[in-house]
Amino acid sequence: EILLTQSPGTLSLSPGDRATLSCRASQTVPTNYLAWYQQKPGQAPRLLIFYASSRATGIPDRFSGSGSGTDFTLTISRLEPEDFAVYYCQQYGSLSFTFGPGTKVDI
Amino acid sequence: EVQLLESGGGLVQPGRSLTLSCTTSGFTFGDFAMTWVRQAPGKGLEWIGFIRSNSYAGTSEYATSVRGRFTFSRDDSKSIAYLRINSLKIEDTAVYYCIRGRSSLFHWGQGTLVIVSS
Repeated sequence: EILLTQSPGTLSLSPGDRATLSCRASQTVPTNYLAWYQQKPGQAPRLLIFYASSRATGIPDRFSGSGSGTDFTLTISRLEPEDFAVYYCQQYGSLSFTFGPGTKVDI
Repeated sequence: EVQLLESGGGLVQPGRSLTLSCTTSGFTFGDFAMTWVRQAPGKGLEWIGFIRSNSYAGTSEYATSVRGRFTFSRDDSKSIAYLRINSLKIEDTAVYYCIRGRSSLFHWGQGTLVIVSS
């Protein structure tokens, strides 16, 4: 089973800042099948990025994903007030599909 | 519009069984695998597993942590996916989400809360 670690655990930033979130896998994620999700309190998660760098439908271009192998990054170029949330990475290249523990982006 | 609605959650005693339903609309249910994810209160997301479409034999994959107690099933005629949980444990307390597909999970239900307590 591929284990995912995310860093930092919490990222304290301000609107307009750039956010860089890291997701590291315990072994190579096959075919870079790595997704990022955003979750706000009381809501279901929302898919942001799939296949490491492809934006999901309707996701603003300030969100971008990069990386390959075992190291992946989600970048939010300029934080908007609605971007303060918890972000999870997930690998779906190798069963069991696993989520990282999450990074909270707060003010 | 794709819609997924989980139901069947509630307060359950340890050791009992429970079946959750995921009622869907807005897409051809039989064409898609269905995934289940849970989230304990204040915790992160946990992938539970998925059931393939009947085009792929309707077989299931489970997380190691739930294998043997959790069972997925589906009724394509009703567009409903099911999750049966046996021998419920305190640590099964969580919001349970169903999601369309097995990878890059775009369409999620709103979740149903299961509380396991005596």
